[in-house]
Amino acid sequence: NAGVTQTPKFRILKIGQSMTLQCTQDMNHNYMYWYRQDPGMGLKLIYYSVGAGITDKGEVPNGYNVSRSTTEDFPLRLELAAPSQTSVYFCASRPDIATNEKLFFGSGTQLSVL
Amino acid sequence: AQSVTQLGSHVSVSEGALVLLRCNYSSSVPPYLFWYVQYPNQGLQLLLKYTSAATLVKGINGFEAEFKKSETSFHLTKPSAHMSDAAEYFCAVSRTGFQKLVFGTGTRLLVSP
Repeated sequence: NAGVTQTPKFRILKIGQSMTLQCTQDMNHNYMYWYRQDPGMGLKLIYYSVGAGITDKGEVPNGYNVSRSTTEDFPLRLELAAPSQTSVYFCASRPDIATNEKLFFGSGTQLSVL
Repeated sequence: AQSVTQLGSHVSVSEGALVLLRCNYSSSVPPYLFWYVQYPNQGLQLLLKYTSAATLVKGINGFEAEFKKSETSFHLTKPSAHMSDAAEYFCAVSRTGFQKLVFGTGTRLLVSP
């Protein structure tokens, strides 16, 4: 199993550009998450999804959009990139919440907005 | 609302010394608590989790944590540090039926020879 796969690993954007961070998992997990990690701030939840067609905002959703058309894929969209969105982005998934199973993380996307 | 506080953004130990990383939680209901580790340029990996079965939880790589309700703590320990333990460690909290996991700000463990 590949687990959770994120692409790209690195990206530099200019202010105002748009891009999509890709995330796919092959474990048939219902729950998927996008976090951003900033130095000294830990991980902040941007958006999450509890299944195909269902998404909800996390702590810091402004400036981002998501979609979940399939169980496998959970892309994160930045429409108008801003320097404040410079961060490392992690996608994660888990099978369900009933047993509080662990999160499986991708290896991250390092994004710089200049 | 649930939250975790990690005391100390950096902890330095010598190889072979005791490792103690502190985590205090806030929760209005019985929590589920986790420790994750992040090695450089990698995603987070689960070290151990507490889900009310036993207060002393053993994880991978010789780490363990003890849930103390009276102190609202879930500190991570390892008797003898190894150079390979150098990483960033995150405490996290959740609860039954709750979709979201809330992370602490992380503690970077530095291990010197």
